[in-house]
Amino acid sequence: AQKVTQAQTEISVVEKEDVTLDCVYETRDTTYYLFWYKQPPSGELVFLIRRNSFDEQNEISGRYSWNFQKSTSSFNFTITASQVVDSAVYFCALSEALTGNQFYFGTGTSLTVIP
Amino acid sequence: KAGVTQTPRYLIKTRGQQVTLSCSPISGHRSVSWYQQTPGQGLQFLFEYFSETQRNKGNFPGRFSGRQFSNSRSEMNVSTLELGDSALYLCATRGQLSGANVLTFGAGSRLTVL
Repeated sequence: AQKVTQAQTEISVVEKEDVTLDCVYETRDTTYYLFWYKQPPSGELVFLIRRNSFDEQNEISGRYSWNFQKSTSSFNFTITASQVVDSAVYFCALSEALTGNQFYFGTGTSLTVIP
Repeated sequence: KAGVTQTPRYLIKTRGQQVTLSCSPISGHRSVSWYQQTPGQGLQFLFEYFSETQRNKGNFPGRFSGRQFSNSRSEMNVSTLELGDSALYLCATRGQLSGANVLTFGAGSRLTVL
């Protein structure tokens, strides 16, 4: 069965601290895609990153970095030197190549960055 | 390139009424998915349409229905509204039915049922 787990419901950090958002997934497919989305208070989910199952390279984009580890079925997201604008709900998601018909979202992690 | 447009953005209904929400996808996107978001349940998948056909359906009662038009615009309808239907309804579109395709979301329609 496909499943995405974001065990951290809410996280609060002080501005400039680093924070890591955890994501663990389950799938029986060998080819799949993992995503992170950000949902600011306005409500619209914004795409951040996509990673396919054959690419385990970590990725860095500015203050954002992602650590994909197939061995532990995890796709964690780290924000370095957090800012107030990073306050949002972050969702991890999985889609499978064979079906591709449905995305499986985690329940989200609400991040609050305190100035 | 215009984004995903959802209308209305906010609406208030009373129990027993019905509601229709609309989603206009990005030009060229033929797949439209609908999600219900509530504080306790996260994002729950309702259904996905591609080329006017429902391709997948989540675990929601028959009161929730949808359709897609030839121009790829989609509507979802909820009949006999219940208090628990209060939620943010999000539409997401993509070009093809491929797991690699990124979903692009609209801003959502926030429904309050009194």
